[in-house]
Amino acid sequence: QKEVEQDPGPLSVPEGAIVSLNCTYSNSAFQYFMWYRQYSRKGPELLMYTYSSGNKEDGRFTAQVDKSSKYISLFIRDSQPSDSATYLCAMTSGTYKYIFGTGTRLKVLA
Amino acid sequence: DSGVTQTPKHLITATGQRVTLRCSPRSGDLSVYWYQQSLDQGLQFLIQYYNGEERAKGNILERFSAQQFPDLHSELNLSSLELGDSALYFCASSPGRPEDEQFFGPGTRLTVL
Repeated sequence: QKEVEQDPGPLSVPEGAIVSLNCTYSNSAFQYFMWYRQYSRKGPELLMYTYSSGNKEDGRFTAQVDKSSKYISLFIRDSQPSDSATYLCAMTSGTYKYIFGTGTRLKVLA
Repeated sequence: DSGVTQTPKHLITATGQRVTLRCSPRSGDLSVYWYQQSLDQGLQFLIQYYNGEERAKGNILERFSAQQFPDLHSELNLSSLELGDSALYFCASSPGRPEDEQFFGPGTRLTVL
């Protein structure tokens, strides 16, 4: 079993929809949780960063962490075609060793 | 533009060969990470350096090695290349603490024929 599981998709939604992306993990020591967006042939870029449990909102993006369920989510409101990318979750227990999910491909249709 | 540079952008080589990938971190960043990204494995952490010293190791093969130089640039050496080493190799840098945000470079696409 992988330490971090993420549905690879692809996930296709119409423009304006609310998108929900999720990861589950098995290591209860993870404390720092991140979501990265990666466009084709580009390096990942950090979207959201959360420490421990709770919610964090930044514009159209909301990150949720539920440590009791070992489950993290990224919500995208009013999705746009420019949001079409691969979304990677990542986490660490506070060490330099980061574990990434395999990524979910998202397509927002105009 | 993240401020992290990687060269070359593309590399095509044959099995059994050796290549060197180069990474220059953002100005002021002391920490450099190397990752391998393949279609079936996703983004895999290989190794991390802080101010010239190795601090963390992930799933890095013995055929691979890395170092960080006094000017903070880093090189990843891949030897005895196999077809399965074909992948995107990313470098990321951060200011230094483990929880600091990582900024990724554009990657080097390695194709082993």
